Amino acid sequence: GAGVSQSPRYKVAKRGQDVALRCDPISGHVSLFWYQQALGQGPEFLTYFQNEAQLDKSGLPSDRFFAERPEGSVSTLKIQRTQQEDSAVYLCASSLGSSYNEQFFGPGTRLTVL
Amino acid sequence: GESVGLHLPTLSVQEGDNSIINCAYSNSASDYFIWYKQESGKGPQFIIDIRSNMDKRQGQRVTVLLNKTVKHLSLQIAATQPGDSAVYFCAETALSSTGKLIFGQGTTLQVKP
Repeated sequence: GAGVSQSPRYKVAKRGQDVALRCDPISGHVSLFWYQQALGQGPEFLTYFQNEAQLDKSGLPSDRFFAERPEGSVSTLKIQRTQQEDSAVYLCASSLGSSYNEQFFGPGTRLTVL
Repeated sequence: GESVGLHLPTLSVQEGDNSIINCAYSNSASDYFIWYKQESGKGPQFIIDIRSNMDKRQGQRVTVLLNKTVKHLSLQIAATQPGDSAVYFCAETALSSTGKLIFGQGTTLQVKP
């Protein structure tokens, strides 16, 4: 079956540009998470959705980061006025629902800000 | 702070040997722990999990041990194969949270043929 997909897989942006990263979770998965993974580091939590509701955005590093999931399926992570420190792999994960449910990760989008 | 740390950044083993990857966690409220494998260019892949009411859990060629007294987690891989070469992360979460995972920095496992 189809897993979590993300697009684009690679994105190069000039500093100051806005970018939008897309996540298609596994069909029927209620929970959706975004993580940021810097080179050589473990993923760090950014934000969490339960259906269309964004219940936790405590990990978003600044107000330049914005995420949405308007219909409770596809999610978009938007970064405005990108900066070099935003360069990282952005991972999306989905799960059936409860805290104990396995999170399935997508391949990530590698963002490079020049 | 609330973070998961790993003792060894790189582990090199001979094919066929057993591997042990260690992890320390600091959040006493965490009650669910997961080991992930991440290959280059891919997202983390679930290997095995364990709840805080257990101290050992076995899967296919993998075993996870949890020592809550010293807040230590380990992953044992039996008969390590070249395909096991990857970065391994432990992660923790708490039932009271949204399920967000706190990851460690990762250990690179290199399997020598």
